[in-house]
Amino acid sequence: DADVTQTPRNRITKTGKRIMLECSQTKGHDRMYWYRQDPGLGLRLIYYSFDVKDINKGEISDGYSVSRQAQAKFSLSLESAIPNQTALYFCATSDLAEQGALNFGPGTRLLVL
Amino acid sequence: QKEVEQNSGPLSVPEGAIASLNCTYSDRGSQSFFWYRQYSGKSPELIMSIYSNGDKEDGRFTAQLNKASQYVSLLIRDSQPSDSATYLCAVNPPGGSYIPTFGRGTSLIVHP
Repeated sequence: DADVTQTPRNRITKTGKRIMLECSQTKGHDRMYWYRQDPGLGLRLIYYSFDVKDINKGEISDGYSVSRQAQAKFSLSLESAIPNQTALYFCATSDLAEQGALNFGPGTRLLVL
Repeated sequence: QKEVEQNSGPLSVPEGAIASLNCTYSDRGSQSFFWYRQYSGKSPELIMSIYSNGDKEDGRFTAQLNKASQYVSLLIRDSQPSDSATYLCAVNPPGGSYIPTFGRGTSLIVHP
């Protein structure tokens, strides 16, 4: 089984809808991240969490929120989806001992119409 | 503004050749450096990490770090068509937060 899983893998939604992307991990890592990837723009950090009680904004957090339900679960919500949130979304984990080397989930491809 | 720069490519090399991928970074105190490989439509996969000046070898891959010149490179020896992918450079800033900044990636094409 994969160490980092994301659901759903693909999602089509309409402008204004609320959606949630979920991430689960079995690696036992404290640190979890949400990134989005757009063609030509690389990976950009949305939110990150160093433990269950710690949530931090990344460089592009506007329009997004997160919840760290447990050490193993970190979900990303789009409160009111808009077309420019169409992107590939990755969840990642890391262990402090590995100095930030990231383990990525398989990604969620989101299309907002 | 912390920046990590990579040539977007594509870099095209023949099978069996050495592919050389380069990355420069702006934050002089950066601590640790990573190379990820990303196949089209897939997630990034860590292939190399390097923390001190010099070379680090792992199989056909060699990472080279020069902190004075603020660049890190990845050499792929005996390139194979299966190495065709986008290679992402990531750099951790100073301070110990270990929140990496990614470059936009270099596309590598290895042709038979």
